[in-house]
Amino acid sequence: DSGVTQTPKHLITATGQRVTLRCSPRSGDLSVYWYQQSLDQGLQFLIQYYNGEERAKGNILERFSAQQFPDLHSELNLSSLELGDSALYFCASGRGGKETQYFGPGTRLLVL
Amino acid sequence: GEDVEQSLFLSVREGDSSVINCTYTDSSSTYLYWYKQEPGAGLQLLTYIFSNMDMKQDQRLTVLLNKKDKHLSLRIADTQTGDSAIYFCAETGSGAGSYQLTFGKGTKLSVIP
Repeated sequence: DSGVTQTPKHLITATGQRVTLRCSPRSGDLSVYWYQQSLDQGLQFLIQYYNGEERAKGNILERFSAQQFPDLHSELNLSSLELGDSALYFCASGRGGKETQYFGPGTRLLVL
Repeated sequence: GEDVEQSLFLSVREGDSSVINCTYTDSSSTYLYWYKQEPGAGLQLLTYIFSNMDMKQDQRLTVLLNKKDKHLSLRIADTQTGDSAIYFCAETGSGAGSYQLTFGKGTKLSVIP
């Protein structure tokens, strides 16, 4: 158990819909990273927050957004969903400095 | 841009050593990681090495880093069936306080009993 929690574990929805994925980092970690794992693209970095502020952006679509709240949990919002958004979404958390990242169990999203 | 390459498959017999190889392109990489993913599970951090080290050993795991060739390897001694999983090599740079990981496609290790 990495100490990072993600909810829900599974999500099935329809094209055009909007979903919210939630992540709670390990105690003491200020950074939250979001990654997408798909069969064709592999594991790709989406976005990072550090202590409530956006720190870095990767291959995140404009239809996707994220935020980190004062209690440091983070949410990833996916809107206007398409079939190709079906993937495993991971969040990871880390501390300042070395930033070893510990991953949550992931949310498996299926868009039908 | 950054790129991490790994072979996709490796098959070994139980009790033998496994060696999983990885090459990367970002010369500014400061940390290099190995993660393990079992079927239906998340990513488990196995070990990492800082770029100024050549080798790191942790029980059955040995990481070798050849910085000149940008080559990283993970050796698993006495491989067990429980080691069957996908192993990801990942690198992180040091720019602007962000340490996002760039992953390889993963090497699927199959252990034959």
